[in-house]
Amino acid sequence: AQTVTQSQPEMSVQEAETVTLSCTYDTSESNYYLFWYKQPPSRQMILVIRQEAYKQQNATENRFSVNFQKAAKSFSLKISDSQLGDTAMYFCAFTLQGGSEKLVFGKGTKLTVNP
Amino acid sequence: GAVVSQHPSWVICKSGTSVKIECRSLDFQATTMFWYRQFPKQSLMLMATSNEGSKATYEQGVEKDKFLINHASLTLSTLTVTSAHPEDSSFYICSAPPGLRVGDGYTFGSGTRLTVV
Repeated sequence: AQTVTQSQPEMSVQEAETVTLSCTYDTSESNYYLFWYKQPPSRQMILVIRQEAYKQQNATENRFSVNFQKAAKSFSLKISDSQLGDTAMYFCAFTLQGGSEKLVFGKGTKLTVNP
Repeated sequence: GAVVSQHPSWVICKSGTSVKIECRSLDFQATTMFWYRQFPKQSLMLMATSNEGSKATYEQGVEKDKFLINHASLTLSTLTVTSAHPEDSSFYICSAPPGLRVGDGYTFGSGTRLTVV
């Protein structure tokens, strides 16, 4: 079974600074997808960034980027130029390749951006 | 992009009654729908997977008779909490997998906050 571990229950960062959220996962499969989802106080799940395991290049989306280390099974999220609106729960998630597989979530990291 | 409409957004019900939560895919066909439960400050816990045209698959420890899931059509999946009790109070979220739209990620409903009094 696949597992996802987020070891930082809470983190805080000053506005405009950079923060990195950690995520490790365990799987015996070679083809899969990894995601970071954001859940603000509204509780709506918002896709932040995704990474296909077969791609060596790290995904980037504006201020968000990942450091994907497949051999180490690590998938960290870096948020640059943090904004107050980045305050939210962040969940790392894993799914097998196929398009209809279930998402496995980590326990989440509560990020607070301070003014 | 793909949208899943979830209703109601919140509901308060009396202990012993049943509550139905609906999730509709608005601009695509969802042959599969995942149902999650989330307690405050915790992660999403998969309860069950509904599939159009077949029985739902429940995760270990989830009571099938309490949480009835029906995938009536390619655009509608429902979760009915039967004989609700205060311990069933939680946040319930549905999610449709991307299928061929893997790049779009999974689509989530806006969630339903259930309070049983």
